Amino acid sequence: SQTIHQWPATLVQPVGSPLSLECTVEGTSNPNLYWYRQAAGRGLQLLFYSVGIGQISSEVPQNLSASRPQDRQFILSSKKLLLSDSGFYLCAWIPYGVASYEQYFGPGTRLTVT
Amino acid sequence: AQSVTQLGSHVSVSEGALVLLRCNYSSSVPPYLFWYVQYPNQGLQLLLKYTTGATLVKGINGFEAEFKKSETSFHLTKPSAHMSDAAEYFCAVSLTRSNDYKLSFGAGTTVTVRA
Repeated sequence: SQTIHQWPATLVQPVGSPLSLECTVEGTSNPNLYWYRQAAGRGLQLLFYSVGIGQISSEVPQNLSASRPQDRQFILSSKKLLLSDSGFYLCAWIPYGVASYEQYFGPGTRLTVT
Repeated sequence: AQSVTQLGSHVSVSEGALVLLRCNYSSSVPPYLFWYVQYPNQGLQLLLKYTTGATLVKGINGFEAEFKKSETSFHLTKPSAHMSDAAEYFCAVSLTRSNDYKLSFGAGTTVTVRA
């Protein structure tokens, strides 16, 4: 069966510190991968998506970057965190070759920048 | 431009009463439509989806939604609310036909259920 993992589950970081959030999908190959940020009262904002290894598309200009070093691994990074980076970060995936648009979400990472 | 509009950021219902969550969308292609539910500090879980075919779709936990093309709507209903329905609900729409399979999400509606 397919599963998606995100870690850490919670993170408290000072302003100006680096960030690395990891998302891993098991039981599938070549999935589409997505990073979302959820801020209070603002719904889900798509940050990055990837249709294959090394292929990253950015949706909004910001202080964050993403990488996909392996087929089922998606990493969200920042060199220097801002207060506005606080939020709930969700990773999602879609199986390769399934054109249903149904995304499967991970459990999320709660990031608090202090 | 807003692609997905959820009317009402908060909805409060009594246990046993009808739950109605409204979603309107704009899309240049025939849309795929979704409702997701999120419990506190968890990821999103699919409630139901419309892709093609029957416009009334049934999902988990007794929820259903109807796609009305003429009204560009996909409202979510449940005849009788249960305490466990307290959560945040998101409507989502596919806006394009490409291999990125991106979705656009509404701002969400928080449902509280009164005993």
